[in-house]
Amino acid sequence: KAGVTQTPRYLIKTRGQQVTLSCSPISGHRSVSWYQQTPGQGLQFLFEYFSETQRNKGNFPGRFSGRQFSNSRSEMNVSTLELGDSALYLCASSLHAGQTQYFGPGTRLLVL
Amino acid sequence: EDQVTQSPEALRLQEGESSSLNCSYTVSGLRGLFWYRQDPGKGPEFLFTLYSAGEEKEKERLKATLTKKESFLHITAPKPEDSATYLCALQGGSEKLVFGKGTKLTVNP
Repeated sequence: KAGVTQTPRYLIKTRGQQVTLSCSPISGHRSVSWYQQTPGQGLQFLFEYFSETQRNKGNFPGRFSGRQFSNSRSEMNVSTLELGDSALYLCASSLHAGQTQYFGPGTRLLVL
Repeated sequence: EDQVTQSPEALRLQEGESSSLNCSYTVSGLRGLFWYRQDPGKGPEFLFTLYSAGEEKEKERLKATLTKKESFLHITAPKPEDSATYLCALQGGSEKLVFGKGTKLTVNP
């Protein structure tokens, strides 16, 4: 069974731009969560979607948003990029909300 | 607020030298404690889920245990390929995963 896939794998943007990252969950998984990983803060939860509805949200500003489609694929968007948004963005999927999560390889975002 | 603290931050072992990684936690309503392994530049790889105190799980050279306040990841006779960062994550009543900062393990041949 194919794992979680994320596109693109690498991205370079400049301050003030916006970016959209994509995640395809493991086949049959209906829950998708997003995390930001930085050397200083570690892995931090952004939000979780299940059946196209946001179930949970972390402590990030409103510039970070996401959505989930009917096929469970998910996107996250960051508007008005800041230098501090440079990070590895990880997507994880699970069969149902609250169950064991399996991670994708991540999207490395560099903001210049 | 749910919290996870991992120790040590870094650990260097010789091949074959067994040791343990610690994950201390505070949570209201534990739903699950998770261990992941992360290699540089990659996403975390799932290892174990533990649900209640006293539970133990094993996989090859790894064994995870859980008490009411902490979890241990025991590594028996490690090999260089076990070198990675090991992450502990907690799921409480909110169902959000809260991660520790990880333990970077290096196993020298």
